[in-house]
Amino acid sequence: DIQLTQSPSFLSASVGDRVTITCRASQDVNTYLAWYQQKPGKAPKLLIYAASTLQSGVPSRFSGSGSGTEFTLTISSLQSEDFAAYYCQQVHSYPPYTFGQGTKLEIK
Amino acid sequence: QVQLQQWGAGLLKPSETLSLTCAVYGGSFSGYYWSWIRQPPGKGLEWIGEINHAGVSTLNPSLKSRVTISVDTSKKYFSLKVRSVTAADTAMYYCARGWVHYGLDVWGQGTTVTVSS
Repeated sequence: DIQLTQSPSFLSASVGDRVTITCRASQDVNTYLAWYQQKPGKAPKLLIYAASTLQSGVPSRFSGSGSGTEFTLTISSLQSEDFAAYYCQQVHSYPPYTFGQGTKLEIK
Repeated sequence: QVQLQQWGAGLLKPSETLSLTCAVYGGSFSGYYWSWIRQPPGKGLEWIGEINHAGVSTLNPSLKSRVTISVDTSKKYFSLKVRSVTAADTAMYYCARGWVHYGLDVWGQGTTVTVSS
């Protein structure tokens, strides 16, 4: 299985901050990586696919980059509605399609 | 706009079979992969498996011996069965739509499944 390791696991930030979450893969996944946002009690929401392509309807303050084994999700200016958990998922090799362990973004 | 609506029994006893169904409304059924994902309380996401409209399924090896995913294209339903459940199968279960190398872009509302004697 391809392992995905996200860092940090917890992140405390303020509205207006720029934040970056990293996802590292145990093997090369090319650019076949997706990012999700999950709010409490809700299903995950696809933010970014193909490492850097913004899903339709997602605000432009979200961006993704990377290829191979290292990827980042950046939120350029945090809004109150962005405080949530974020997960990466590799969609390169399966089974299984694996997820990172998650990053919980909290209000400072 | 595509919507997924899922249902199934939420409380099971150990050794019983978990059974969930997901209906696809408002979009095409072919050309996509229809997936199941679960999330234990307070934990991360686990991919269970997927199936296409032709009934070809791919399962997580860690669950493969107990899991069946099936499809009914006439109704635009797909279903999950997990046999011989234990407390470790307690989780929120989600159905979702995916494309190859893309990700999961439409999700069901989730079903809480609790396994307890």
